[in-house]
Amino acid sequence: GDSVTQTEGLVTLTKGLPVMLNCTYQTTYSPFLFWYVQHLNEAPKLLLKSSTDNKRTEHQGFYATLHKSSSSFHLQKSSVQLSDSALYFCALGTGGYKVVFGSGTRLLVSP
Amino acid sequence: NSKVIQTPRYLVKGQGQKAKMRCIPEKGHPVVFWYQQNKNNEFKFLINFQNQEVLQQIDMTEKRFSAECPSNSPCSLEIQSSEAGDSALYLCASSLTGNQAPLFGEGTRLSVL
Repeated sequence: GDSVTQTEGLVTLTKGLPVMLNCTYQTTYSPFLFWYVQHLNEAPKLLLKSSTDNKRTEHQGFYATLHKSSSSFHLQKSSVQLSDSALYFCALGTGGYKVVFGSGTRLLVSP
Repeated sequence: NSKVIQTPRYLVKGQGQKAKMRCIPEKGHPVVFWYQQNKNNEFKFLINFQNQEVLQQIDMTEKRFSAECPSNSPCSLEIQSSEAGDSALYLCASSLTGNQAPLFGEGTRLSVL
């Protein structure tokens, strides 16, 4: 079945440093990939989305490129801020009205 | 602002009691999802609807939950007999099509004592 793997459960960084959160997926269908961010006691909010191979998508300083050859959609930012501390979820849609989520990565940014 | 409205925000029930939560999807979104987010923050898909019709649901939902999305009324998810393991954040989301990223509500946090 369809699945999403996020390898890091927790990432801790000092502000100003770059970050990459890993996301790989498995599906036999044409994939739609999403990154969501969830702050404490808030709704998950869409950060990025893509279904186009090898095209970089950006929003709020975060960026990701869907690589179908390696089934990956890693999230990156060149300089993290304190306000980026949150849970980040990678999710996979296949157009079949079901979206599968990864286990999430908690990003903690320290001063 | 686009919004999915979930009520109540918090729900406390005893074991064996019914627990009902509601969701008003974003206007114009025919697809509605329910997810359970556990204390480890993992998402479990429960059920989805297109308009009033159930598209998919997991076995647990079919056996222990009652869910509907009537026209012109909020969607609802009800646990028929709450168990301690049902304590979680229940998230409702909606989307325009099966290809779009779901828009989430803030959730109903259920505590089963």
